Parts: sequence; C-alpha cells; structure tokens
Amino acid sequence: DAKTTQPTSMDCAEGRAANLPCNHSTISGNEYVYWYRQIHSQGPQYIIHGLKNNETNEMASLIITEDRKSSTLILPHATLRDTAVYYCITPYGGATNKLIFGTGTLLAVQP
Amino acid sequence: ETGVTQSPTHLIKTRGQQVTLRCSSQSGHNTVSWYQQALGQGPQFIFQYYREEENGRGNFPPRFSGLQFPNYSSELNVNALELDDSALYLCASSLKGKGHNEQFFGPGTRLTVL
Repeated sequence: DAKTTQPTSMDCAEGRAANLPCNHSTISGNEYVYWYRQIHSQGPQYIIHGLKNNETNEMASLIITEDRKSSTLILPHATLRDTAVYYCITPYGGATNKLIFGTGTLLAVQP
Repeated sequence: ETGVTQSPTHLIKTRGQQVTLRCSSQSGHNTVSWYQQALGQGPQFIFQYYREEENGRGNFPPRFSGLQFPNYSSELNVNALELDDSALYLCASSLKGKGHNEQFFGPGTRLTVL
C-alpha cells in the first residue's frame, strides 16, 4: 500500500474553507486516493475519491497534483459538524475493499 | 445512517473468554469487512468476506475468525481474549464487483476486556 502522511491536527474557522493536505509520494499508477472522516463515536464515513483528475461532490472537493504525489481535500464552508478525524487512504492495488487507515488529521472547526 | 447495524453496542468480557460480534450489511451489499480501532488510532483491517468466503486478511492471529451468511450478514469471533483486544470493532459493507465503491461503516461495538 502506498503510505500517506497527514498533519496530526488543524483548526478552521466556521464558514471558512478547510484545506486538508495529504502526501502519498509512493503512490502507484493505478492507486486511487480516498478520503474518509470519522466523527467522534461514529464509524468512518466516505467523502470522496479520485485518481488523477480533480473531483467534486456535495460534500467536498479533491485536488490531486499532476504528479499524484499529494492531494488536498477541501471543505468549502466548514461547519461545527465537520469537526472530525479525516483519513487520506490509498487502498491496495486500487481495490476499495481493504482500507489501510493511518492516524488521520483531527480537524477542529472553531465558532 | 448507513443502513449497517452492529450488535451489541457495548460488551465487557474477561481475559480468556470468547466473544461474537454481529453485523448486518446494507441491503444489496455482498462484501463485509471488519476493522479494529484502538483508542486514539485509526481502524486496522482484520479481514473481509465476499460471498461467504474470506477474501483477504490483515495482520491478526487465527483466534480472530469470521463468518458471512447467505443474507450477507456477518459475525466476528475472537477466542482467548486478551487485554489488548479492548477496542472499537467496526464492520463495513460494500458492493464488490462494480467498479470502485465506498464502504459503509456501522457504528461499531465497543469491547472492553478486563
């Protein structure tokens, strides 16, 4: 599995964009980048995934650099309910079924 | 709400005992994965079942075993419990074989081993 590196924690003001970085310098050509988040005392929740093009859905945007060695998850207007641990994952061989979680980034949205 | 349910929500056992945790997958999903999450850590992949067969295993000893039933519900069994088995156990269901699909996680079972 490609290894991912994320900051341990980040703060963001409510209503502002939250930009969460992830490094995955050893990613291979067929490995997707997935983002999940885990709100306290709940199971992880899928957010978004991408291969090499930028992606957007109703929850977030994913920006992947051209060399695919890093990516940024963007929450355009963070709310208090977005406070959670965010995990950047590159599943083995492109398969989504064996997620290898790191320790993630604790995003604290401040009022 | 993901449609994935787990039981029980909390459980207390003593060292050496055996435990069975249960998971009901989201409707239409044929794959279930189990994860162990120790306090302050990310979830760790235990194993996955697809169509009632084990389809991949993480770095967990054989005393961790599982079953998947024809209705795609699943059990995780842990024998000879150790103190370090205390954790949140998560199951996740997905639909294998249709491109890239996300996993839907249940709320977890909190196991405490005394």
